[in-house]
Amino acid sequence: NAGVTQTPKFQVLKTGQSMTLQCAQDMNHNSMYWYRQDPGMGLRLIYYSASEGTTDKGEVPNGYNVSRLNKREFSLRLESAAPSQTSVYFCASMVLRETQYFGPGTRLLVL
Amino acid sequence: AQKITQTQPGMFVQEKEAVTLDCTYDTSDPSYGLFWYKQPSSGEMIFLIYQGSYDQQNATEGRYSLNFQKARKSANLVISASQLGDSAMYFCAMREGGDYKLSFGAGTTVTVRA
Repeated sequence: NAGVTQTPKFQVLKTGQSMTLQCAQDMNHNSMYWYRQDPGMGLRLIYYSASEGTTDKGEVPNGYNVSRLNKREFSLRLESAAPSQTSVYFCASMVLRETQYFGPGTRLLVL
Repeated sequence: AQKITQTQPGMFVQEKEAVTLDCTYDTSDPSYGLFWYKQPSSGEMIFLIYQGSYDQQNATEGRYSLNFQKARKSANLVISASQLGDSAMYFCAMREGGDYKLSFGAGTTVTVRA
């Protein structure tokens, strides 16, 4: 039982490049989330998926797209990376409306 | 407006002493949940404790307890008998009503001294 897994762990991009962050959970949770964490700002919600087949914007969705591929997987795509997207990205999952469980994070540096 | 406020950016505590981390929240929904997470220097987010707005008693989990004062809209985390491994960033978070989302505070860094 791996919980929530994220790939890659670390990535360096040049401005304008694109990439997809992958997230998978094996806990049969319905809801999945993408957050970004910047120094001094806590975690901010980018997008979430309350259930398979649905996605909704969070607090800071601009510059990102998501895909809920199936119940297990929820990916985050940066179409044209910008230095302002340098951050640590966390994926999380939740069953019903209880505790959210987090992946290990992806450190992204955009030059 | 900020939904979760953590006013202490950093705290120092002596090993084996207790420490209280402040958290105040803002919501008009009578049904909500409050969470505390720990983030050690390794970066992962670890769930510590949960308090529901209708819970009659304060939540406790081992050395962690939540001092829930509903009228004051505060949900302070108390860590008893601090250990060196408690050094980390601590985040307070809230889920409102039937929402699927959590709102996080900016966090408090705790450093435990030997």
